[in-house]
Amino acid sequence: AQSVTQLDSHVSVSEGTPVLLRCNYSSSYSPSLFWYVQHPNKGLQLLLKYTSAATLVKGINGFEAEFKKSETSFHLTKPSAHMSDAAEYFCVVSPSSGAGSYQLTFGKGTKLSVIP
Amino acid sequence: GAVVSQHPSRVICKSGTSVKIECRSLDFQATTMFWYRQFPKQSLMLMATSNEGSKATYEQGVEKDKFLINHASLTLSTLTVTSAHPEDSSFYICSARDDRARGYGYTFGSGTRLTVV
Repeated sequence: AQSVTQLDSHVSVSEGTPVLLRCNYSSSYSPSLFWYVQHPNKGLQLLLKYTSAATLVKGINGFEAEFKKSETSFHLTKPSAHMSDAAEYFCVVSPSSGAGSYQLTFGKGTKLSVIP
Repeated sequence: GAVVSQHPSRVICKSGTSVKIECRSLDFQATTMFWYRQFPKQSLMLMATSNEGSKATYEQGVEKDKFLINHASLTLSTLTVTSAHPEDSSFYICSARDDRARGYGYTFGSGTRLTVV
């Protein structure tokens, strides 16, 4: 079984300040972890993924996330927010291998607002 | 990179009619595709897993006869909402899993906003 908890439903930051979106996971298997971004009425775009390689993962648009097994966390960060970062962000977990490796479990999402 | 094309992006239909949504992998083969539904300001809910050449696997609570899925080729899956009602209005998103990838080769379509009037 696996689950994802996004600790904040809404995060608001000022443009140019750091972004932190928190995600904790639970998985019976060695997990793969993802962060996706969704702009209004759009599909999901992959920001980054962790698949048991380096624990610090760098993604697109300056985002990065660190896999911390001891804390079962995979928080998403960015040093400086841009207005274009305003969107919904989803943390996703799946087993890294095996028959159920296609099963993505989504967090409930965190809406990021960026204040000019 | 991998691209999934989903059409239409928006559709408005009358109650009682059927609507077909297409999900197409443009530059890779996908034996497995997924259909999700997203209610306003909520996360994605997996409706069904579509497997090329076989019957789709539906999640608990999803009506098979209402949401017909056909995955006739390695690059195309369709979702047909039959006898649509206003409560079927939602945002539907497909995802395709690249056959060459190991467990994480997912690409999402851009979604379809269905409004039933």
